[in-house]
Amino acid sequence: NAGVTQTPKFRVLKTGQSMTLLCAQDMNHEYMYWYRQDPGMGLRLIHYSVGEGTTAKGEVPDGYNVSRLKKQNFLLGLESAAPSQTSVYFCASTVAGGPTDTQYFGPGTRLTVL
Amino acid sequence: GQNIDQPTEMTATEGAIVQINCTYQTSGFNGLFWYQQHAGEAPTFLSYNVLDGLEEKGRFSSFLSRSKGYSYLLLKELQMKDSASYLCAVMDSNYQLIWGAGTKLIIKP
Repeated sequence: NAGVTQTPKFRVLKTGQSMTLLCAQDMNHEYMYWYRQDPGMGLRLIHYSVGEGTTAKGEVPDGYNVSRLKKQNFLLGLESAAPSQTSVYFCASTVAGGPTDTQYFGPGTRLTVL
Repeated sequence: GQNIDQPTEMTATEGAIVQINCTYQTSGFNGLFWYQQHAGEAPTFLSYNVLDGLEEKGRFSSFLSRSKGYSYLLLKELQMKDSASYLCAVMDSNYQLIWGAGTKLIIKP
């Protein structure tokens, strides 16, 4: 099992460009999450999904969109990138999002917006 | 608001013991998690506490006091590979994780 994978690993964008980050998991997990991690701050939830075809906003959703067309994939889109979106993006998944469900993280995508 | 506080950085010696504290104020409580994150890597799960008391798992132990909004992670017999950031996270009433900024632990020989 590969667990949780993310593509790409690194990306540099210019302000105003768009891109999509792909997260894939092979553990048959229902819940999937997108976080961003910035220096000196905790992980912040952008969007999450509780199952195929569903999405919901997290703490910092502005400037991002997501889609979960297939259970194993969760896509994060930036329609018009801004320097404030320079960050490390982590995808995570859990079995069912309950209190005892461990979140499994992907390796991260380092995004720089110039 | 919701808040998780933990020290920014700690230094310890190989073979010693270190305690990393975490205090929290959240909307509801459904458990407290500790994760380890090596530089440039993803966080990985270490422990989960939902009841007061100490949970021991090998060289790592985690303690919780819900009445005080307090937890600590205790690492014994420190090894160089324990150099990492340690993230405290609380699951709130919406079953979402609220994360602290992490404690960077530096191990010296």
